[in-house]
Amino acid sequence: DAGVIQSPRHEVTEMGQEVTLRCKPISGHNSLFWYRQTMMRGLELLIYFNNNVPIDDSGMPEDRFSAKMPNASFSTLKIQPSEPRDSAVYFCASSLVGTDHYEQYFGPGTRLTVT
Amino acid sequence: GDSVTQMEGPVTLSEEAFLTINCTYTATGYPSLFWYVQYPGEGLQLLLKATKADDKGSNKGFEATYRKETTSFHLEKGSVQVSDSAVYFCALSLNTGGFKTIFGAGTRLFVKA
Repeated sequence: DAGVIQSPRHEVTEMGQEVTLRCKPISGHNSLFWYRQTMMRGLELLIYFNNNVPIDDSGMPEDRFSAKMPNASFSTLKIQPSEPRDSAVYFCASSLVGTDHYEQYFGPGTRLTVT
Repeated sequence: GDSVTQMEGPVTLSEEAFLTINCTYTATGYPSLFWYVQYPGEGLQLLLKATKADDKGSNKGFEATYRKETTSFHLEKGSVQVSDSAVYFCALSLNTGGFKTIFGAGTRLFVKA
């Protein structure tokens, strides 16, 4: 299995630009999670989906952030407009919930730098 | 609410030293407990898990026992190696109210040769 795939791995953009991060979960998994990691705030859950439906988006910092999961094999996290404080590593993770296994499988992350 | 508290780092050890990273949790139900490890430049990966009280999870020489009476899940390794240098996250997952996992703040471990 290829694992969770994220793209791009690195993104450098200017303040005010739109940024789109992409994630392909592990085939057969039914839940997908977006996290943000910074030195100051650690690992933060932004939003998670179950069966392509957003379940909890309370971690999304503000309206500039949006996430979609149009099908079981693809999700996007969009920031519009981007700001320097959005600079972080963004992780996508997937999981198969509904059994006794809740471990999450993380992608390699997208390092976002907003100048 | 549900939460995970783990010891602050960084923890610095010499090679072959004994490692303990403390983790305690608060949960309204009966969680599954996990330790994840993050190596530099990578995402988190599952190190070990335990799904019920008194279970012991183990992997790569690391162990942790689910202690319901003390609400703890401390990570131990008898002899650390330089390659164990990473950030370790304690986490819990509950089968109620959704499917999310709650992570601790992480503990950075440095192992010196």
